[in-house]
Amino acid sequence: EVHLVESGGGLVQPGGSLRLSCAASGFTFSSYWMHWVRQAPGKGLMWVSRLNTDGSDTMYADSVKGRFTISRDNAKNTVYLQMNSLRVEDTAVYYCATGDVGKRAFDMWGQGTMVTVSS
Amino acid sequence: DIVMTQSPDSLAVSLGERATINCKSSQSVLYRSNNKNYLSWYQKKPGQPPKVLIYWASTRESGVPDRFSGSGSGTDFTLTISSLQAEDVAVYYCLQHYSLPLTFGGGTKVEIK
Repeated sequence: EVHLVESGGGLVQPGGSLRLSCAASGFTFSSYWMHWVRQAPGKGLMWVSRLNTDGSDTMYADSVKGRFTISRDNAKNTVYLQMNSLRVEDTAVYYCATGDVGKRAFDMWGQGTMVTVSS
Repeated sequence: DIVMTQSPDSLAVSLGERATINCKSSQSVLYRSNNKNYLSWYQKKPGQPPKVLIYWASTRESGVPDRFSGSGSGTDFTLTISSLQAEDVAVYYCLQHYSLPLTFGGGTKVEIK
């Protein structure tokens, strides 16, 4: 059975840092591009970042570019999101997601981890 | 960036009646080399991750009830729930995978009338 399990969320002050992790199981992790998607309280879904299979190609939403870094460890079946210079507006539930390239859709999601940026 | 505009923002439908959600993209998401629309639909319930319902604009994900259907091409798309059930109360989002940054529609909240 496929599982994506996020961890690392919590309360942090503005300007602080957090590293989110997403541990995968039940599928060949190293063959899948990985994404992070977030949802701020009361708001819609927003794509944050994506990473290719070997970690050499990254892309970010403009609102997080230069502050967030996505990476992966295929030996540990884990994708990370290093979040620096956090802002109040980064407060959200963060989901890792992926999917069959043949679908070009996200058919696998984690349960999400809450990040709260507040003083 | 491709802007995805959903309408309406919310709708209330009686049980057993049809619900129709629209999604319009600011540019075509039809990839001509394979004739596929890079558009998917998601159902989001509170406290749960999104769940894919439709991909390639009209292909139903395995296990999704056949009352859910997707249609459209190019820039205009529709998600239809043919006979609304109580468990369909949720927020629905479209997503374009045509180009980065990936962009979601603003969401449509579906409730029971």
